[in-house]
Amino acid sequence: DAGITQSPRHKVTETGTPVTLRCHQTENHRYMYWYRQDPGHGLRLIHYSYGVKDTDKGEVSDGYSVSRSKTEDFLLTLESATSSQTSVYFCAISETSGYQYFGPGTRLTVT
Amino acid sequence: GEDVEQSLFLSVREGDSSVINCTYTDSSSTYLYWYKQEPGAGLQLLTYIFSNMDMKQDQRLTVLLNKKDKHLSLRIADTQTGDSAIYFCAESENYGGSQGNLIFGKGTKLSVKP
Repeated sequence: DAGITQSPRHKVTETGTPVTLRCHQTENHRYMYWYRQDPGHGLRLIHYSYGVKDTDKGEVSDGYSVSRSKTEDFLLTLESATSSQTSVYFCAISETSGYQYFGPGTRLTVT
Repeated sequence: GEDVEQSLFLSVREGDSSVINCTYTDSSSTYLYWYKQEPGAGLQLLTYIFSNMDMKQDQRLTVLLNKKDKHLSLRIADTQTGDSAIYFCAESENYGGSQGNLIFGKGTKLSVKP
């Protein structure tokens, strides 16, 4: 398995609080991605990174920001969490912009 | 924009073959992928096929690609209960010949009955 970890694995938070999810890789891959998975929607891309400090928006970026200050870490921040952001969040990595390897996921519940 | 469609559910008996179908819209996609997701886990890359191929076989898995109809299928021979999972089809966006991000279907839930 590709060396990808996500933390925390589970989190419950209240509406309006900030939340940061971390993705860490040991593969030195250039590309990193954040997705959310919701019933009926499959996987939707939130943000991605194509290098240190190089990020771009995906399909559902509103309400989310990201940062990548090191190759191995990609952080996803919800500045003020809302109930609509309750979801399972997956990080993925790839060496080229082709096939991706996924982390184990973070289950976030916003009450 | 690009879109990937899959049927949501498939139920088969153990030992039968499973065929999971997918249609996509971007005729310029360079690669097409199949991922497997077991309960509570992330997505695992199963196999992929180059757009200039018609078929790819890997042990019990056979991928068929019909570029004319933009149709991709995954056949699992001798389906086992351990194959029960959600299977995602994905295409890569194509930006002037370079691969872009992946576009995923909503996933097909395969249930294998003993």
